[in-house]
Amino acid sequence: DGGITQSPKYLFRKEGQNVTLSCEQNLNHDAMYWYRQDPGQGLRLIYYSQIVNDFQKGDIAEGYSVSREKKESFPLTVTSAQKNPTAFYLCASSPGQGTTNEKLFFGSGTQLSVL
Amino acid sequence: AQSVTQLGSHVSVSEGALVLLRCNYSSSVPPYLFWYVQYPNQGLQLLLKYTSAATLVKGINGFEAEFKKSETSFHLTKPSAHMSDAAEYFCAVSNYGGSQGNLIFGKGTKLSVKP
Repeated sequence: DGGITQSPKYLFRKEGQNVTLSCEQNLNHDAMYWYRQDPGQGLRLIYYSQIVNDFQKGDIAEGYSVSREKKESFPLTVTSAQKNPTAFYLCASSPGQGTTNEKLFFGSGTQLSVL
Repeated sequence: AQSVTQLGSHVSVSEGALVLLRCNYSSSVPPYLFWYVQYPNQGLQLLLKYTSAATLVKGINGFEAEFKKSETSFHLTKPSAHMSDAAEYFCAVSNYGGSQGNLIFGKGTKLSVKP
């Protein structure tokens, strides 16, 4: 089955620790995205990548980093600089930007909590 | 800048009753508008989208939405609620010519369905 796989489902971070959230897709999509979801706040864009080896900051990139070395993978690192990391993180992908018929596919999310 | 406002963070209806979830948008250019649904601990699924064709858009699971430019609204409706409709619903507007990746999300409306 084609889709987006996020792992782990639950993740705990200690003070001062960096943690990495995995996102893999086998849909052959060019574009991938990371959103942060807080209760009552909707989704906010952290980073996005339209093509391998290229990515752009979204609205709330501070304290996060990403890489896009492979088309199918877009890991997100939550660094110690992110002082309020507890949230639900959603990864998404789409065939590419600029087509109104695109459908955005979401993974099932990772809940990150601080110990 | 584009934005969406969802009126009511929580809506409760009885099974079989009309579902009405409100969304108003702000955009200086013709918008592309979307409704997504999120079930507990899951990612988001696209319900329907408006891309400047028909103003009445039909989506999955019996939902539809009407684009009203004069009211800057894109309300989501379903004639008869089912227990399985209980979920959180997000309205979103695109800030790049229809691409779904760079979406601006509303804060969400949680729908409860009473038996």
